[in-house]
Amino acid sequence: AQSVTQPDIHITVSEGASLELRCNYSYGATPYLFWYVQSPGQGLQLLLKYFSGDTLVQGIKGFEAEFKRSQSSFNLRKPSVHWSDAAEYFCAVGPNTGNQFYFGTGTSLTVIP
Amino acid sequence: DVKVTQSSRYLVKRTGEKVFLECVQDMDHENMFWYRQDPGLGLRLIYFSYDVKMKEKGDIPEGYSVSREKKERFSLILESASTNQTSMYLCASSLGGHTDTQYFGPGTRLTVL
Repeated sequence: AQSVTQPDIHITVSEGASLELRCNYSYGATPYLFWYVQSPGQGLQLLLKYFSGDTLVQGIKGFEAEFKRSQSSFNLRKPSVHWSDAAEYFCAVGPNTGNQFYFGTGTSLTVIP
Repeated sequence: DVKVTQSSRYLVKRTGEKVFLECVQDMDHENMFWYRQDPGLGLRLIYFSYDVKMKEKGDIPEGYSVSREKKERFSLILESASTNQTSMYLCASSLGGHTDTQYFGPGTRLTVL
């Protein structure tokens, strides 16, 4: 069965510092991978997605993620965090058949001045 | 821009009441989804619909039903609300296919007393 693990429940970083949020998936074939962000009081917004091709994916708001098949990972990175990046981040996997997505439990990001 | 709207941001109901949560999308999307979001559990799929009058159970359909009479509208029904259904409910839609981005509404925070 497909599953997504986000090992870090909560991360705190200083503004301007780099950020890496971890995501590991379990799926038999090549999955379709997504990162979403949920700002306080808002719905989820897509940051980026990976289907195939270049394993380094660029997204909105300066985020990028790298697909590493050998590690079953799809970690999200940002070189310099802004206070407005404080939010909850969800990794998700979609199978190559069917319509169901599986979401991780989320990582809450706090940014300190 | 895709817009997904949900009928209420906050809702308070009593145990045993019948509850309707409405979701409307304005982009002629084929697929619509209902999730519940709970701390530490992430998003869990309740039901999804890939066409009018068509529905599929997700991971946690017990205690819920859905209705999709028109393409743009997807309703979640709690036949007899219980306190363990207190949660944030998120609606999403996608154009079609497993690789398509899901667009989320702002959510309805339901409290069952």
